[in-house]
Amino acid sequence: QVQLQESGPGLVKPSETLSLTCTVSGGSISSYYWSWIRQSPGKGLEWIGYIYYSGTTNYNPSLKSRVTISIDTSKNQFSLRLSSVTAADTAVYYCARRIPDTMGYYLDFWGQGTLVTVSS
Amino acid sequence: SSDLTQDPTVSVALGQTVRITCQGDNLRSFYASWYQQKPGQSPVLVIYGRNNRPSGIPDRFSGSRSGNTVSLTITGAQAEDEADYFCNSRDSSGNGVFGTGTRVTVL
Repeated sequence: QVQLQESGPGLVKPSETLSLTCTVSGGSISSYYWSWIRQSPGKGLEWIGYIYYSGTTNYNPSLKSRVTISIDTSKNQFSLRLSSVTAADTAVYYCARRIPDTMGYYLDFWGQGTLVTVSS
Repeated sequence: SSDLTQDPTVSVALGQTVRITCQGDNLRSFYASWYQQKPGQSPVLVIYGRNNRPSGIPDRFSGSRSGNTVSLTITGAQAEDEADYFCNSRDSSGNGVFGTGTRVTVL
């Protein structure tokens, strides 16, 4: 059973960079796509982006100028960096495994999520 | 527009059937997946592709698609099905998009 675990600071100051890591266990990170999703308090889910194990990425156009997703296959980890954060970036951040299929994709395994608060 | 629209709330009597819909232009070209989220928990995949259930998801959950609308049907709703449900799909650029979410209340 694949398991994902997010880690990183729970508090980030405005204008600084949010950095999170997702550690994958119970399976290899290779040959799969990996996603980041966030959920603002009391709100819906927002897709942030994904990375393929080869390093290919795709980002939400609304966040693209501030987002970087990277991967370290040797550590079975992938990471999220979001720069110039504001209070609007306060959210629970989830990592998940992305499986493409014929006409779409799905997210079959999710981490437990980590709350990141942007505040001075 | 790549937005996916869901009714904010739906209620169903215990044991009855409820259908949750998700509308969006992208759905004419791509399948959606459905996720159940209970308070304080991570989303859980319940339906993907044409109408596939992951291992462990009860067969009372089913999915369908027509035109620009996809639906998640719970046949014989149970108390434990009370949760938020989100659809998810992609656009032509491969960007992901989530529905606005539907809160299901089991009466």
